Amino acid sequence: SAVISQKPSRDICQRGTSLTIQCQVDSQVTMMFWYRQQPGQSLTLIATANQGSEATYESGFVIDKFPISRPNLTFSTLTVSNMSPEDSSIYLCSVPWGGYGYTFGSGTRLTVV
Amino acid sequence: AQKITQTQPGMFVQEKEAVTLDCTYDTSDPSYGLFWYKQPSSGEMIFLIYQGSYDQQNATEGRYSLNFQKARKSANLVISASQLGDSAMYFCAMREGQAGTALIFGKGTTLSVSS
Repeated sequence: SAVISQKPSRDICQRGTSLTIQCQVDSQVTMMFWYRQQPGQSLTLIATANQGSEATYESGFVIDKFPISRPNLTFSTLTVSNMSPEDSSIYLCSVPWGGYGYTFGSGTRLTVV
Repeated sequence: AQKITQTQPGMFVQEKEAVTLDCTYDTSDPSYGLFWYKQPSSGEMIFLIYQGSYDQQNATEGRYSLNFQKARKSANLVISASQLGDSAMYFCAMREGQAGTALIFGKGTTLSVSS
């Protein structure tokens, strides 16, 4: 399966600032997914990132708040902009592999104070 | 409507006992995949088992088996011989349509295994 390196693993940020999360995959993948997991909740899809095109955002998520970069087939970033305490969550990237499976990054645990 | 429903917020089991975690799903797509993931307190997502909609037999992976009842749209996870290390959050997830589309997750079940 693909291996994903996700950074940072955790961060504590001041409200009003931005944080960029990086995911590096050890093989080329067409699609990458970004999820948010609020405390005690399930994973919610933020957006799907394809290389060479703009990301597709799910209802309730907008590009101004969560801009995504996908410069090549092995790398993507998610920025959480103008953060508030409600953005405190675990953020995870994921890629499909092997025809049916999915690999996840180790997650970024974000606390906004 | 919920696509994936997990009705058990928490489950408690003793070591060496078997436990079943419930999952029902809703889709009109004839091609779909069902997954179970384990999330320990560290936050990582650990893949446990997969069942394709066209698979005739129930999936098994070591101590994990998936009880797939297509007509009832259920995909329950059975963990045999529970271990203390099984204590974690468990998520049922579905992929609708072709492989490679995003997973949809249920709300999860917290499993606690005691000695």
